[in-house]
Amino acid sequence: EAEVAQSPRYKITEKSQAVAFWCDPISGHATLYWYRQILGQGPELLVQFQDESVVDDSQLPKDRFSAERLKGVDSTLKIQPAELGDSAMYLCASSPPIAGDLNEQFFGPGTRLTVL
Amino acid sequence: AQSVTQLGSHVSVSEGALVLLRCNYSSSVPPYLFWYVQYPNQGLQLLLKYTTGATLVKGINGFEAEFKKSETSFHLTKPSAHMSDAAEYFCAVKSGGGADGLTFGKGTHLIIQP
Repeated sequence: EAEVAQSPRYKITEKSQAVAFWCDPISGHATLYWYRQILGQGPELLVQFQDESVVDDSQLPKDRFSAERLKGVDSTLKIQPAELGDSAMYLCASSPPIAGDLNEQFFGPGTRLTVL
Repeated sequence: AQSVTQLGSHVSVSEGALVLLRCNYSSSVPPYLFWYVQYPNQGLQLLLKYTTGATLVKGINGFEAEFKKSETSFHLTKPSAHMSDAAEYFCAVKSGGGADGLTFGKGTHLIIQP
């Protein structure tokens, strides 16, 4: 069964360092999402891609966060510099081209970031 | 704008008892509603969803939910709890059938007592 892949699964870094997370969506899924989940809360959307284009990045802290999906397939989320408050689970999800109501989002296992 | 409220950050039930997790939503347009489950250090797995049509939806692992427009609710139920149901449950809303991102509630931690 096809799955969304993310790496690394765990990342520990010191504040002010740069970190990057990678996501490979399910093959053929045009839409890709990055969510941030702070401990004890629900996921919050950071950025949404349609193919290689950003559709929604209104909640992305653009002074330190960046995201790209250059060829419309896999994606990288970067934080530079990392701050203590960035400690969270970063989840990637993808969904297939819209077909009626069947626009389910499939989530990867996430990357748990700890900033010391 | 849309939002989700999950009543009760923790719910504890005995094994074999009824599970009821509450979710209320706010949406300016007809909503699409979802329930996801998350096990420790894992991603989210879709339990069930309401898009259009029948208001009582059945999902995986014996869970079901009923969309009640008049109450703006989408509560999750399971007749008989199993130890393996212990996890974090999230209700989410999306406005319409497009590819927009989901708005999640804060989650409910379900505890199953033997």
